[in-house]
Amino acid sequence: EPEVTQTPSHQVTQMGQEVILRCVPISNHLYFYWYRQILGQKVEFLVSFYNNEISEKSEIFDDQFSVERPDGSNFTLKIRSTKLEDSAMYFCASSEGGGAGYEQYFGPGTRLTVT
Amino acid sequence: GDSVTQMEGPVTLSEEAFLTINCTYTATGYPSLFWYVQYPGEGLQLLLKATKADDKGSNKGFEATYRKETTSFHLEKGSVQVSDSAVYFCALSDYGTSGTYKYIFGTGTRLKVLA
Repeated sequence: EPEVTQTPSHQVTQMGQEVILRCVPISNHLYFYWYRQILGQKVEFLVSFYNNEISEKSEIFDDQFSVERPDGSNFTLKIRSTKLEDSAMYFCASSEGGGAGYEQYFGPGTRLTVT
Repeated sequence: GDSVTQMEGPVTLSEEAFLTINCTYTATGYPSLFWYVQYPGEGLQLLLKATKADDKGSNKGFEATYRKETTSFHLEKGSVQVSDSAVYFCALSDYGTSGTYKYIFGTGTRLKVLA
């Protein structure tokens, strides 16, 4: 069964450093998402992406964050200058369509630890 | 805005016990409702969904009914197994400003089933 993959599974970085989290969505999916979960808190929406542009972003997704689909298969989340409060589990998801009835398929997550 | 509230965990049950995990929501429209499950080291997997009031989603012995009058979508299983030990997330699809949908999640409820 097709699945969303994410690398790395765990990333440790120092405050102020740039990190890139990578995701490979399911191949025939057109909509892509990033969510995050700070330990003990809710899974929160960050951004959705369709047709090579951001569809929607949350208030968390400030200028330090960016997303890209560099080569037609990968979907990346970049944090330009990490803060301690960026430590979280980051989930990538993809869906075939953008409507309410389309299931979003999630990857296993990347745990980001900022020290 | 829209939100999801689910019961605090962890929930510890003996094998073959009855499971209920409560989930309530607030929404301005008519969202679709989902239960996702996360097994250790894995991503979020869709367990079941319901797209309109009074719909019952079911899968692997789990059930949940979309109750508009009580704004609830409680997860139930008649007889849990050790293999059901996981974290369960309730979610709703929220219509975004761009016309795509994003998920609003609850905090997750950890279930531990003892043999």
